[in-house]
Amino acid sequence: DAGVTQSPTHLIKTRGQQVTLRCSPKSGHDTVSWYQQALGQGPQFIFQYYEEEERQRGNFPDRFSGHQFPNYSSELNVNALLLGDSALYLCASSRAYSLLAGGPSKEQYFGPGTRLTVT
Amino acid sequence: DQQVKQNSPSLSVQEGRISILNCDYTNSMFDYFLWYKKYPAEGPTFLISISSIKDKNEDGRFTVFLNKSAKHLSLHIVPSQPGDSAVYFCAASKGGSEKLVFGKGMKLTVNP
Repeated sequence: DAGVTQSPTHLIKTRGQQVTLRCSPKSGHDTVSWYQQALGQGPQFIFQYYEEEERQRGNFPDRFSGHQFPNYSSELNVNALLLGDSALYLCASSRAYSLLAGGPSKEQYFGPGTRLTVT
Repeated sequence: DQQVKQNSPSLSVQEGRISILNCDYTNSMFDYFLWYKKYPAEGPTFLISISSIKDKNEDGRFTVFLNKSAKHLSLHIVPSQPGDSAVYFCAASKGGSEKLVFGKGMKLTVNP
């Protein structure tokens, strides 16, 4: 049973460039959330995708956008990179409906992350 | 505005003893709480969770206690093992939202 996978592992970009990060959810999961974890901080919610639509969004500018594909995998795009965008980007997957929970499964399962460095 | 707070950045305990990790929250709308463990170069791993309708949940060596009136939860690990050494994050969500709000994390070191 494959867990959440993310690519690439590491990435170095220059300020002003654009970046795309990828995520494949855990088998059986249909919802993907993206988080940004700055050094010494906890993960911060960027947005969540379900049925190829953005369902919730955190306090991040429009430079951060995403996409979900029919196979539930997802991409995070960041435009006009700033030095402050340097962070670990985490993808998490979950189920929109869990029989056990009688609703959305509250537990999210995380991938290993993509370390983005902006110089 | 930190809605989930882990005020102690680190904790060191001896193998076999109890580890108690604390977490406070400010938003009374939170109704589901989770603990995650994170090793270096890995993503957070789900450990245990608790709904606001309960005050205790156990899973093996891990027990989470919730005190809603104090807006406080704690994770107890008994007995602690060297493999438990990691950064532990407390997280919360509210209502139907699946957005998780995380604390800053606490580094636990279990000494052999």
